[in-house]
Amino acid sequence: QVQLVQSGSELKKPGASVKVSCEASGYTFTAYPMIWVRQAPGRGLEWMGWINTNTGKPTYAQAFRGRFVFSLDTSVSTAYLQISSLEADDTATYYCAKDLAGGGGWPDYWGQGTLVTVSS
Amino acid sequence: DIQMTQSPSSLSASVGDRVTITCRASQPISYYLNWFHQKPGKAPKFLIHSASSLQSGVPSRFSGSGSGTEFTLTITGLQPEDFATYYCQQSYSPPYTFGQGTKLEIK
Repeated sequence: QVQLVQSGSELKKPGASVKVSCEASGYTFTAYPMIWVRQAPGRGLEWMGWINTNTGKPTYAQAFRGRFVFSLDTSVSTAYLQISSLEADDTATYYCAKDLAGGGGWPDYWGQGTLVTVSS
Repeated sequence: DIQMTQSPSSLSASVGDRVTITCRASQPISYYLNWFHQKPGKAPKFLIHSASSLQSGVPSRFSGSGSGTEFTLTITGLQPEDFATYYCQQSYSPPYTFGQGTKLEIK
């Protein structure tokens, strides 16, 4: 069965960086893109973008260009989200999700989420 | 960006009730509309794609309809496990924006 297992919670200071991992199993990793979604505490879902797991090409929503980087290690079926120069407003749960149909718009299976807390 | 607006923001219902949640897009999105629900502390679960196509394993009490700018999610015969927050999402044009959510609570 499809499973996405994300790395554990992180507590970081402002200005630091964090890298969240998302290990996929139960399907061919390179056949389906990976989507990233953010959810601030008590708030709704925010689409961050997606990465083509075949070519490695990332696509970012405007709000996530610059400090956010999507990457892959296809040898271990894992996608990564790296956030640099962390700010308090980056405090959120970050989800990876497998894309059902390609193009970044159909998140069918989701990881359990990784809480990133930014605090001094 | 396409704005997605859900109504109501919250509603109370009882087990066995029929409920409807509406999602409106700020511009036409054809049938490119997904529905999810999310329980506290858990990841969202994909329920419906393409406005009305039930994802595999989702109970048939869930149904979706609509096209263009107005869509509905209907749950017929609410079960205890259905009390959650529901989100719509457009998959027509990036960024693939979500609605603000509808919290379905037990009456």
